[in-house]
Amino acid sequence: KAGVTQTPRYLIKTRGQQVTLSCSPISGHRSVSWYQQTPGQGLQFLFEYFSETQRNKGNFPGRFSGRQFSNSRSEMNVSTLELGDSALYLCASGILAGPTYEQYFGPGTRLTVT
Amino acid sequence: EDKVVQSPLSLVVHEGDTVTLNCSYEVTNFRSLLWYKQEKKAPTFLFMLTSSGIEKKSGRLSSILDKKELFSILNITATQTGDSAVYLCAVEGSGGSNYKLTFGKGTLLTVNP
Repeated sequence: KAGVTQTPRYLIKTRGQQVTLSCSPISGHRSVSWYQQTPGQGLQFLFEYFSETQRNKGNFPGRFSGRQFSNSRSEMNVSTLELGDSALYLCASGILAGPTYEQYFGPGTRLTVT
Repeated sequence: EDKVVQSPLSLVVHEGDTVTLNCSYEVTNFRSLLWYKQEKKAPTFLFMLTSSGIEKKSGRLSSILDKKELFSILNITATQTGDSAVYLCAVEGSGGSNYKLTFGKGTLLTVNP
């Protein structure tokens, strides 16, 4: 089974621009979560989608948004980029395992904002 | 707000040593605690713990959860240089059917030959 894929792997943008990141979950997984990882803050939850609906959202400004398509692929958009948005953005594909979910991470997209 | 604290933040040991990594948490509606290993790439899943007192083992790694005292430990015996990584602890807590993981800042383990 193919793993979680994220595109692009690396991205360089300038302040004020917007960016769209893509995540394709493991086949059969309907949950996709997004995380931001920075050296100072560690891994922080952005949002989670299940069957095209956002089920949960972390404490990030409205510039961060996402969506999920009917094939479970998800996109994350960041508008009006700031220097502090430079980070590794990880997507995780989830599947129900008993009473909870197991998550498998993609390789991440390294975003640099200059 | 859910909170996960890992200690120590970093650790340097020699090959063959045994290490214990700690993770304490405060979470609403606890569902599970997960351990991940992260090298220079995305985190890879190690263990998921849902019940107190039941040790999970995988080779030289083992982990146990204490839901009364709200902590978990990850043990690595006979460490090898390949164990060098950041070890992340995450807790799943939610209301209703929503799913959300809260991560600790991680423990950076360096194993020297």
